[in-house]
Amino acid sequence: SAVISQKPSRDICQRGTSLTIQCQVDSQVTMMFWYRQQPGQSLTLIATANQGSEATYESGFVIDKFPISRPNLTFSTLTVSNMSPEDSSIYLCSVRAEVNTEAFFGQGTRLTVV
Amino acid sequence: SQQGEEDPQALSIQEGENATMNCSYKTSINNLQWYRQNSGRGLVHLILIRSNEREKHSGRLRVTLDTSKKSSSLLITASRAADTASYFCATDAGWTGGFKTIFGAGTRLFVKA
Repeated sequence: SAVISQKPSRDICQRGTSLTIQCQVDSQVTMMFWYRQQPGQSLTLIATANQGSEATYESGFVIDKFPISRPNLTFSTLTVSNMSPEDSSIYLCSVRAEVNTEAFFGQGTRLTVV
Repeated sequence: SQQGEEDPQALSIQEGENATMNCSYKTSINNLQWYRQNSGRGLVHLILIRSNEREKHSGRLRVTLDTSKKSSSLLITASRAADTASYFCATDAGWTGGFKTIFGAGTRLFVKA
């Protein structure tokens, strides 16, 4: 199993600013994923972040808006840049050891942009 | 992008009744997973069924998978008020860089005491 500490748990930010979300895992994991969840909606995959390689972004998400760092096997950050109210959402990190194993999730970061 | 559709979108039942949620997906998969999310919190893994399996049980949970129909169902028997949550199916799809997990739309379950 893996325990994930995600920070901050919530924040209220001014439009035009940036917020960096941290995801710390208590064990080394190969694959890490970042998701966005609008209120009452499902999870939408933003990007896959594997240590030692560039993050792979899903359609509709770009590196300039959501830069990701993955410096080692236990840590990753997601930055939400130049924020607008449309970026208000819950952001979640998730880790997987390999295919056919369960995913573990952080508690999420609830972001409100005003 | 989202892989699957789930139905119903919302389900309200009495405590003690069974709850059935369905999930359909579009592409070939390695496995299908079910997760529970209590309001405003992180997701908790419930069960994973591999593409070569047809049925799996875990406590009061029963999951079926029909790869020919690209569908799965989650049955919760003898439901409890504590089962009130959102339930999501998720599928692993392979890509050149590895795999990624895509979530369905989810079913909101409300169990009345």
